[in-house]
Amino acid sequence: DGGITQSPKYLFRKEGQNVTLSCEQNLNHDAMYWYRQDPGQGLRLIYYSQIVNDFQKGDIAEGYSVSREKKESFPLTVTSAQKNPTAFYLCASSTTSGRLNEQFFGPGTRLTVL
Amino acid sequence: AQSVAQPEDQVNVAEGNPLTVKCTYSVSGNPYLFWYVQYPNRGLQFLLKYITGDNLVKGSYGFEAEFNKSQTSFHLKKPSALVSDSALYFCAVRGRTTSGTYKYIFGTGTRLKVLA
Repeated sequence: DGGITQSPKYLFRKEGQNVTLSCEQNLNHDAMYWYRQDPGQGLRLIYYSQIVNDFQKGDIAEGYSVSREKKESFPLTVTSAQKNPTAFYLCASSTTSGRLNEQFFGPGTRLTVL
Repeated sequence: AQSVAQPEDQVNVAEGNPLTVKCTYSVSGNPYLFWYVQYPNRGLQFLLKYITGDNLVKGSYGFEAEFNKSQTSFHLKKPSALVSDSALYFCAVRGRTTSGTYKYIFGTGTRLKVLA
């Protein structure tokens, strides 16, 4: 899973709670991404960041928040406003220049709402 | 609109036979195309990419992909399938947002099942 770590591997949340998923990379990549994976729907982009202290909403940002205070870290908070948060969450990173522009993915966090 | 289509939810192939997993795309400008593989409860692993140059791209684990600009396709192929190739395969394209940043658009995935 190439230099990106996600924790925890499994996370259980009670309804009404906020939870934060960790993503750290040591690849010196400028760009980082959060995706949500549901069966049969592929990967959907939640948020992405091309540079420290800046980030953009993806296709399904409602109910989620992020921060990018350090180049290595891009934590995702799933808020109580997210109505159906049970899913597999994947973090990725990539360079923003040159030819090495494929994404590197972390091992994922499976979030279950109880 | 930028998009990626994987028309087959599942592909079954016998071990030793050639396999093809289909992908078509729609993107403005020159496409950057990628294939990834995912094993159960794991992240995605990069297989190969097309940026420019030869239309036939070779990647990891004996996989290759053929870029066809006129058909806007980027099908994944392997001459002889292994049972261990059974996994979920994603095609992706890198596109530009209206603000000029890059984002990656993924297909819905194709489950490959190689039968012994």
